[in-house]
Amino acid sequence: IQMTQSPSSLSAAVGDRVTITCRASQGIANALGWFQQKPEKAPKLLIYAASNLESGVPSRFSGSGSGTDFTLTISSLQPEDFATYYCQLDYNYQWTFGQGTKVEIK
Amino acid sequence: QVQLQESGPGLVKPSETLSLTCTVSGGSVSSRGYYWGWIRQPPGSGLEWIGSLSYSGNTYYNPSLKGRLTISVDTSKNQFSLKLSSVTAADTAVYYCARLRSYPGSGRHPDFWGQGTLVTVSS
Repeated sequence: IQMTQSPSSLSAAVGDRVTITCRASQGIANALGWFQQKPEKAPKLLIYAASNLESGVPSRFSGSGSGTDFTLTISSLQPEDFATYYCQLDYNYQWTFGQGTKVEIK
Repeated sequence: QVQLQESGPGLVKPSETLSLTCTVSGGSVSSRGYYWGWIRQPPGSGLEWIGSLSYSGNTYYNPSLKGRLTISVDTSKNQFSLKLSSVTAADTAVYYCARLRSYPGSGRHPDFWGQGTLVTVSS
């Protein structure tokens, strides 16, 4: 299964609402996670099962979608949210990442 | 708290075999329900899944690397390892090991990661 993530990058200001999308080449139900990666750091899981917030993750992060189309939304961008975001699925013992979306400061 | 630490050479010559070990502390590689995986990230690029290992020793490989890849476990040392043969410059990357936890309705995702180790393929 191929994952297509968009956009590849975006510029936003603190307080903006940001949306990132991920499209699967075939239906994957809700088997999707979203990760945040900061420079020189390992990724961190934000969302699992498409819309469930991982423990400790701020509520400004939310996920939605099912089947083939998924969205990660940051409701009000904070300075610590500038990072690269990846979708990731586990399907039939194959794990695939999207290409990543870099969120930069406007 | 589970901790993972990658170890191995930082420089490998083209055509040779890249070997890395992940040492797990604060948990067991035999813990039922958990999988263990390797992920890599070329400089300035995105994340690529290399392969995974179940608690019972089953292995799952990225098809694009199958044929060059071996992932194994040493339960006596609480370690799992990666061997990638016939490397080229395209295999230069930061290599991460990770624990995969099962999330309801979502399959398995990494919840604990090593810090990553840069492996450069160059003569």
